[in-house]
Amino acid sequence: EAGVVQSPRYKIIEKKQPVAFWCNPISGHNTLYWYLQNLGQGPELLIRYENEEAVDDSQLPKDRFSAERLKGVDSTLKIQPAELGDSAVYLCASSFWTGNTGELFFGEGSRLTVL
Amino acid sequence: AQKVTQAQTEISVVEKEDVTLDCVYETRDTTYYLFWYKQPPSGELVFLIRRNSFDEQNEISGRYSWNFQKSTSSFNFTITASQVVDSAVYFCALSPNTGNQFYFGTGTSLTVIP
Repeated sequence: EAGVVQSPRYKIIEKKQPVAFWCNPISGHNTLYWYLQNLGQGPELLIRYENEEAVDDSQLPKDRFSAERLKGVDSTLKIQPAELGDSAVYLCASSFWTGNTGELFFGEGSRLTVL
Repeated sequence: AQKVTQAQTEISVVEKEDVTLDCVYETRDTTYYLFWYKQPPSGELVFLIRRNSFDEQNEISGRYSWNFQKSTSSFNFTITASQVVDSAVYFCALSPNTGNQFYFGTGTSLTVIP
């Protein structure tokens, strides 16, 4: 079974440029997460989807970040315009939510460097 | 409030030594789950274990063992006879059963020296 797939793995852009990250979760997983991981820190939630609905986006900086999960499968996270402080790893994870907590399955992450 | 504390930022051990990674959590929920994840240099967090708050039995899986103590709100992870391949960052996480949310600690970077 394929795991969570993310692309690109690495992205280097200049500040004020836009960037987009793509995530394909494990087939059948109804919940998808985008996390931000700064160097030396644990993952911090940006947004959580249950199927197509964004049920928790309280930590998403909505002035520059946006996300979508069309048809409840793939998801895209966009930053426009990027700032120097956005340099980090963007992790996508998925799980199958049944009302009881299941484990998260993570992708390899997309490492963003903003110059 | 939900919080996970991993006080050990970095640990170095010599191969074959035992090492314990500490995890302390805070939650007001009576039902919750605790997790450990491993993040090798490749970057992908790998699930190691999940325990629910009603099961305080310690668990052993090969060289890995976990000690869950509700009285001290701790969920510690021990690696016996460490190997170089154990070198990674290890994260402890908490998920209250009130929602599909996860709270991660800041991680402990383990280096096993050959």
